Amino acid sequence: QVQLQQWGAGLLKPSETLSLTCAVDGGSFSAYYWSWVRQPPVKGLEWIGEINHSGTTNYNPSLKSRVTISVDTSKNQFSLKLSYVTAADTAVYYCARGSHGDGMDVWGQGTTVTVSS
Amino acid sequence: DVVMTQSPLSLPVTLGQPASISCRSSQSLVYSDGNTYLNWFQQRPGQSPRRLIYKASNRDSGVPDRFSGSGSGTDFTLKISRVEAEDVGIYYCMQGTHWPPTFGQGTKVEIK
Repeated sequence: QVQLQQWGAGLLKPSETLSLTCAVDGGSFSAYYWSWVRQPPVKGLEWIGEINHSGTTNYNPSLKSRVTISVDTSKNQFSLKLSYVTAADTAVYYCARGSHGDGMDVWGQGTTVTVSS
Repeated sequence: DVVMTQSPLSLPVTLGQPASISCRSSQSLVYSDGNTYLNWFQQRPGQSPRRLIYKASNRDSGVPDRFSGSGSGTDFTLKISRVEAEDVGIYYCMQGTHWPPTFGQGTKVEIK
């Protein structure tokens, strides 16, 4: 059974860089795309971007200038960096298995990130 | 971006009764490969989302058969044949046909 375990800093100041990592335990890492999705407080879901094992990425155009998703196949991990955060980036961030087409079938536990001065 | 509009936004249901959620897209979700990339997710209180349905009508492994997805083009429906207490939560549709993928606002299902 595939499990995703994510971690990263939960409190940031404006203009800092958000950094989260997601470790994949079980299953085939190379057979899938791996995604990041976020959920602002009391709001719906927003797709951030995705990456595959070879490093091919796709980003939401609304965040593309600030987002970097990377992969470490030696550790079966993938990471999210979001630069120059503002209060609008306050959200629960989820890592997930799957791509934009069929959506995501396995999700991490979520990390709450708060941006406040 | 493709706008996904769900209705209703709140759905009180009696246990054992059916429930239906509508999701409409601002553009057709039929992709050039012939597939329709419309997914449904359930988010129980305090939990991560869980995919229920992919490609409009394919139920995920482990999802009870009381959940079904249907629809085509721009008009889609998630049905719960008999609501159980564990079905309480927010349900989201998501389109993966057009760039970027977008979600509906969510429909909150609660027990009357």
